[in-house]
Amino acid sequence: QKEVEQNSGPLSVPEGAIASLNCTYSDRGSQSFFWYRQYSGKSPELIMSIYSNGDKEDGRFTAQLNKASQYVSLLIRDSQPSDSATYLCAVRKAAGNKLTFGGGTRVLVKP
Amino acid sequence: SAVISQKPSRDICQRGTSLTIQCQVDSQVTMMFWYRQQPGQSLTLIATANQGSEATYESGFVIDKFPISRPNLTFSTLTVSNMSPEDSSIYLCSVEGGRAVNEQFFGPGTRLTVL
Repeated sequence: QKEVEQNSGPLSVPEGAIASLNCTYSDRGSQSFFWYRQYSGKSPELIMSIYSNGDKEDGRFTAQLNKASQYVSLLIRDSQPSDSATYLCAVRKAAGNKLTFGGGTRVLVKP
Repeated sequence: SAVISQKPSRDICQRGTSLTIQCQVDSQVTMMFWYRQQPGQSLTLIATANQGSEATYESGFVIDKFPISRPNLTFSTLTVSNMSPEDSSIYLCSVEGGRAVNEQFFGPGTRLTVL
């Protein structure tokens, strides 16, 4: 079992729809959870961090965390073609520790 | 967040040679890390660069192949030694601490091709 798992996609969504990305992790000691966006040929860009169970909203992005189910998700509302990218889920045990990345989900937003 | 630069941005190297990649941050940071991203793959941590002491390497990565320096709180280097085509990857540094509290931010990456 991989430490962090994501559906590789591609996840194809029409413009204006909600994109829903999922991530599961195996280490119950994980405390911090991150979503990075990576455009082709570019480095990962941090878009969301979440540390407590529940929802966290930032603009069109909502991260959801359920530690009991070892599950973290990212919702992208009103998806735009510019949201087309690979989204990487990352987890870690504590601040200053290494990040463990999932394989990434490729999202395609079609006009 | 901190401004991170890497040099070179890309390079094409011959088998058996070595390349040193530099990572510079515009402010002092606590942690610096080096990752590798092979074509079509996700990120894998190579090592944590420790200021003033030897780097901490992840399983599968060794100091002889990937020597790392971190002379101060704003600068680190990663050397890819005795390169083979399998070393063709994007190499990324990331930082945490200082202005980047509890979160890691990535530099622009170095795209390495080994012939």
